[in-house]
Amino acid sequence: DSGVTQTPKHLITATGQRVTLRCSPRSGDLSVYWYQQSLDQGLQFLIQYYNGEERAKGNILERFSAQQFPDLHSELNLSSLELGDSALYFCASSVGGIREYEQYFGPGTRLTVT
Amino acid sequence: AQTVTQSQPEMSVQEAETVTLSCTYDTSESNYYLFWYKQPPSRQMILVIRQEAYKQQNATENRFSVNFQKAAKSFSLKISDSQLGDTAMYFCAFMKEGQGNLIFGKGTKLSVKP
Repeated sequence: DSGVTQTPKHLITATGQRVTLRCSPRSGDLSVYWYQQSLDQGLQFLIQYYNGEERAKGNILERFSAQQFPDLHSELNLSSLELGDSALYFCASSVGGIREYEQYFGPGTRLTVT
Repeated sequence: AQTVTQSQPEMSVQEAETVTLSCTYDTSESNYYLFWYKQPPSRQMILVIRQEAYKQQNATENRFSVNFQKAAKSFSLKISDSQLGDTAMYFCAFMKEGQGNLIFGKGTKLSVKP
């Protein structure tokens, strides 16, 4: 158990819908990272937050957005869902700063778009 | 842009034998980290080993060791005394120092046979 929690574990929804994925980082971690794992694209970085502020952006679609709340949990919002958005979405956390290399991954949320 | 290449989509090894997974990367950066992550059928991402680019000594974690060739931009993982529980996808990853996003290779599926 990494100490990072993600809810829900599984999500099935229809095209055009909107969903929210939630991540709670390890106690004491200030940085949260979101990654997408799909058959087509492999594992790719989406976005990073550090202590409530966006720190880095990767290959995140405009239909996707994220935020980190004062209690440091983070949410990834996916809207106007398409079949190709079906993937495993991971959240990771780290203390941040000079220890960004030490990332702990959550169990992931499996999103299926039908 | 940095890239990570894993040229072996699938490999198999007999229990108790040794296997080496290959990884090459491309970067113009001097300071970075390299990682091997394991993803078993449970889909959890587990850090196997980490190498700091500034360290000449190859990292070792129990049965897992790396051969880091900085000039050749090569970072292979050796698993000794393979166990059935080593069956998993293995991902090589790169992180530039000061940036938190991991860049992953496509992965190598390792099967350990009894």
